[in-house]
Amino acid sequence: GNSVTQMEGPVTLSEEAFLTINCTYTATGYPSLFWYVQYPGEGLQLLLKATKADDKGSNKGFEATYRKETTSFHLEKGSVQVSDSAVYFCAPHTNAGKSTFGDGTTLTVKP
Amino acid sequence: GAVVSQHPSRVICKSGTSVKIECRSLDFQATTMFWYRQFPKKSLMLMATSNEGSKATYEQGVEKDKFLINHASLTLSTLTVTSAHPEDSSFYICSARVGQTNTEAFFGQGTRLTVV
Repeated sequence: GNSVTQMEGPVTLSEEAFLTINCTYTATGYPSLFWYVQYPGEGLQLLLKATKADDKGSNKGFEATYRKETTSFHLEKGSVQVSDSAVYFCAPHTNAGKSTFGDGTTLTVKP
Repeated sequence: GAVVSQHPSRVICKSGTSVKIECRSLDFQATTMFWYRQFPKKSLMLMATSNEGSKATYEQGVEKDKFLINHASLTLSTLTVTSAHPEDSSFYICSARVGQTNTEAFFGQGTRLTVV
């Protein structure tokens, strides 16, 4: 089955700092890759996705590139804001739509 | 875009009672829905795969008789926590897959269950 190793948190950054959250996965076949964000007390929101090798997903200033050779999907943002404080989950999806989640990385951005 | 609605968002119940959580796909048909459980400060664990018109497929270690799943229509799946106990308190989230071959699944808002 699939598994995900996600950068441990918590991560604390100052506003406008550069963010990287590492994610590597093991999977059979070629899964689609997703990053989800969970704000305090809320459900999951899709942040971005990539469906094939070398695809780059992007949204709200966040980016992640599907690296098949290193089985990675690292999340980056050039300049974080306080409003980006949340928990971030890396999740490959099987072709059946089933998700395997990383442990989540808690990001806190301070003014 | 595809919207999944989960109800209720929060529920408190007494130990020994049963609680039903609904997961609806509002603007698409979902032949497959998934139920996850999230413990405090932990990741999401897949509990079961719900298939319209057939029995759910449970993950290893999940009690079928404890967590009853019904997927009676293409837009609704329900999770019933039977004879709830405090250790069942958790955040439950559903997701619904769009179409038969699409890998993307959309998530509901989640249900915070507290058993007292």
